[in-house]
Amino acid sequence: LAKTTQPISMDSYEGQEVNITCSHNNIATNDYITWYQQFPSQGPRFIIQGYKTKVTNEVASLFIPADRKSSTLSLPRVSLSDTAVYYCLVGARSNDYKLSFGAGTTVTVRA
Amino acid sequence: DSGVTQTPKHLITATGQRVTLRCSPRSGDLSVYWYQQSLDQGLQFLIQYYNGEERAKGNILERFSAQQFPDLHSELNLSSLELGDSALYFCASSVATGGTSGIQETQYFGPGTRLLVL
Repeated sequence: LAKTTQPISMDSYEGQEVNITCSHNNIATNDYITWYQQFPSQGPRFIIQGYKTKVTNEVASLFIPADRKSSTLSLPRVSLSDTAVYYCLVGARSNDYKLSFGAGTTVTVRA
Repeated sequence: DSGVTQTPKHLITATGQRVTLRCSPRSGDLSVYWYQQSLDQGLQFLIQYYNGEERAKGNILERFSAQQFPDLHSELNLSSLELGDSALYFCASSVATGGTSGIQETQYFGPGTRLLVL
């Protein structure tokens, strides 16, 4: 299971773009990169998943460079409700898959 | 709403007691995962079941056990409870998502059961 490293915390203001970079130097060929969001006292919620290049959905974008040793979650124009913990996970095939959430990145959005 | 249900929402009990937490996965999901989240700590993976069989084991104590039933709901049993077992316990279920280079399962989490051991 690939180990990930991400910042402990980040502060931002409403309307700004927040970029969270996750390092995963020993990512395997079949590994996907997935990001989850967790609000206090709630279960994590899937945000986005990708394998390479760029993935975009209605919530966020995920940028993955060619070497795939890192990835960046981009949250456009954040609001106060985006204050949460964001987890980066790298996982392999479904028959050998254990999620390790780590400490995540606490993003605090201020008015 | 993720479609995953957990009962009870809150549980208060005493040290030495035994409790059972219940999880119903999303319709069609075969995998169930259990996690523990203590105050100010990250999610700790405990155990995974797939279609009734244990698939993966994490940091699960010997005092804890789980099972998945034929209807795919799962139960997490916590016995000889200690103060340090007070935590949020999350259940998640998954469906495999296909991709060009392998399969990774996206997990859908329930609302959790908050356990307080006094």
